[in-house]
Amino acid sequence: AQKVTQAQTEISVVEKEDVTLDCVYETRDTTYYLFWYKQPPSGELVFLIRRNSFDEQNEISGRYSWNFQKSTSSFNFTITASQVVDSAVYFCALSEEGGANNLFFGTGTRLTVIP
Amino acid sequence: EAGVAQSPRYKIIEKRQSVAFWCNPISGHATLYWYQQILGQGPKLLIQFQNNGVVDDSQLPKDRFSAERLKGVDSTLKIQPAKLEDSAVYLCASSFRGGASGRNIQYFGAGTRLSVL
Repeated sequence: AQKVTQAQTEISVVEKEDVTLDCVYETRDTTYYLFWYKQPPSGELVFLIRRNSFDEQNEISGRYSWNFQKSTSSFNFTITASQVVDSAVYFCALSEEGGANNLFFGTGTRLTVIP
Repeated sequence: EAGVAQSPRYKIIEKRQSVAFWCNPISGHATLYWYQQILGQGPKLLIQFQNNGVVDDSQLPKDRFSAERLKGVDSTLKIQPAKLEDSAVYLCASSFRGGASGRNIQYFGAGTRLSVL
């Protein structure tokens, strides 16, 4: 059975600090996809990144970077030089190839960036 | 490009009443999803449509929840009768394709926040 764990319920950082959000997943499929979504106070889930299980290359997009390690079943997300606009709830999610493109979400991490 | 549209944004009803939510997906997206997000939790899939057919409704409480996607575009999710535990945000998402052959990205609407009193 699939499972996504985000152990950090809430994180607070001061603006310009770096912060890492942890995500650990469980799946029996050899082919799967991992996602990060951002949910600002407006409520809409905003897609950030998708990674497939065969691509362990780390990715950087501006201030955002992602570290995928199959050996530890982790897909962590780092925000460099955090800004107030980064304040939101961040969700990690898993989709298995054997499924129907269904997303299984973690419980989310609420990030608060203090000015 | 317009995103996923949902209405209403907020709804307050009393238990045992009925309520309906509407979703208009991104133009050209064949697959539509309804999720329930209870406060403090991640979204949980209720039902998935591929065009106007149901792909997965295994998590839909069919004794009180129903959904349809007539003509393969807009969709409506209904709760009848509502219970206190149905208080949640109902999110609609769409993707270009779905199923095992397409690992498509799901794009979400802003959701409808339902409060059942």
